[in-house]
Order: sequence, then C-alpha cells, then structure tokens
Amino acid sequence: RKEVEQDPGPFNVPEGATVAFNCTYSNSASQSFFWYRQDCRKEPKLLMSVYSSGNEDGRFTAQLNRASQYISLLIRDSKLSDSATYLCVASSSNTGKLIFGQGTTLQVKP
Amino acid sequence: DARVTQTPRHKVTEMGQEVTMRCQPILGHNTVFWYRQTMMQGLELLAYFRNRAPLDDSGMPKDRFSAEMPDATLATLKIQPSEPRDSAVYFCASGQRRQPPGQGTYEQYFGPGTRLTVT
Repeated sequence: RKEVEQDPGPFNVPEGATVAFNCTYSNSASQSFFWYRQDCRKEPKLLMSVYSSGNEDGRFTAQLNRASQYISLLIRDSKLSDSATYLCVASSSNTGKLIFGQGTTLQVKP
Repeated sequence: DARVTQTPRHKVTEMGQEVTMRCQPILGHNTVFWYRQTMMQGLELLAYFRNRAPLDDSGMPKDRFSAEMPDATLATLKIQPSEPRDSAVYFCASGQRRQPPGQGTYEQYFGPGTRLTVT
C-alpha cells in the first residue's frame, strides 16, 4: 500500500464547476501536508500548504482531517487553466522529506 | 524571483556512459532533494542533503548512483554506468524550514528537471 494515495482520475469537469480531490495518508506521524500542481512536462509547483485544520487561497480550499488521515482540495469556479495533475504530499516535519501521491488529473472543459 | 536551476535540461546518452546532472538551489535554502519521475513510479525521492551533509540516500541505487554537494550553491547527481531503465525526469528541489505558522514545515521548490534518455 502506498503511503499517500490519491484517485488518479481523470476528473473531467465543465468550466465553472466545483471539484474536490481527496487523498489519504498512512503514516500517522506525518505532520505537514501540501498540494502541488504539475503541468504536462513541467516541474511540480507548490499550490498550497495545509496547516492545522485547513486553509483557503482564493478559489482553492485545502482541508486536513487528522483523525481520518485524509486531506482534500476543493477548487471552486474551475477555469480551463486549472487543468493539470494535482499531487498530494505528506511530510514529517523533522526531516522535511516529502512523500508524494501519484497525482489526480483534472481536465476542465469549455 | 528566486528559482532552482538545473542543467542540462535534456540529455540523451548511450548505455554505459556516465551522466552528471547539476542543480543550483535557491540561495539561502539549506535542504536539497533529488527526485526521479517516471510514468510508472511517479515521483521518487532519491537522496537529500541538509547544510550540504547527506541525510538520506536510501532511495538511490548505490551501485551506480552518487549524489554530492560540493558547496552550498551546487548539488550533483551522477549515474555511472547508465542503463536504459534510468530514463526518467530527474528533479532537484530546495527548501528551508519555515517559521510559524508553518511550525517547522519544509516547503520545497522544484527545478525544471533534467529529462534523461539512455539508449
């Protein structure tokens, strides 16, 4: 079983839709969580860090549920430019080592 | 806008040849990571350094891979001899421990990667 698991998708949604991705992690010692975005043939880029119970940045909301060991990412009013792969990441704060999920692919259609 | 840089961006080589990939971390970041990405395996951590000291290289095939950080501005990843199964994109990332509210988290910033093809 992978340490960080995501539904690979693809999620195909129309512009303006709200879409949510879930991710589970198995290491209860994980303390820090992130969402990265990766476009085709590009490097992963940090989208959001997820602190304590969650946080919001514009159209993006990330939530953390430590009891159930899952993280979610909600995208509201999706744009064509949101089409990408979204990587869920867990980390031990002591080492800084990131464990990446396999990614969830989002395609936003006109 | 500070960025991680990597060279070369693309490398095609024949099996058995040595490959050296270079990375310049963001100035001031004390932690450097090397990752490999393939379609099948996704992103795998190969090795990482803190303050230039190797902390963990358990993800790296020891017989052919080596990672070093000769100074704070340069990290290298070498493969000798290279094999076709090494074909992948190799990313370098750098990070620095954040102060609260991150409470000690490391946000990592990736370079553009080296796309390696071994024939």
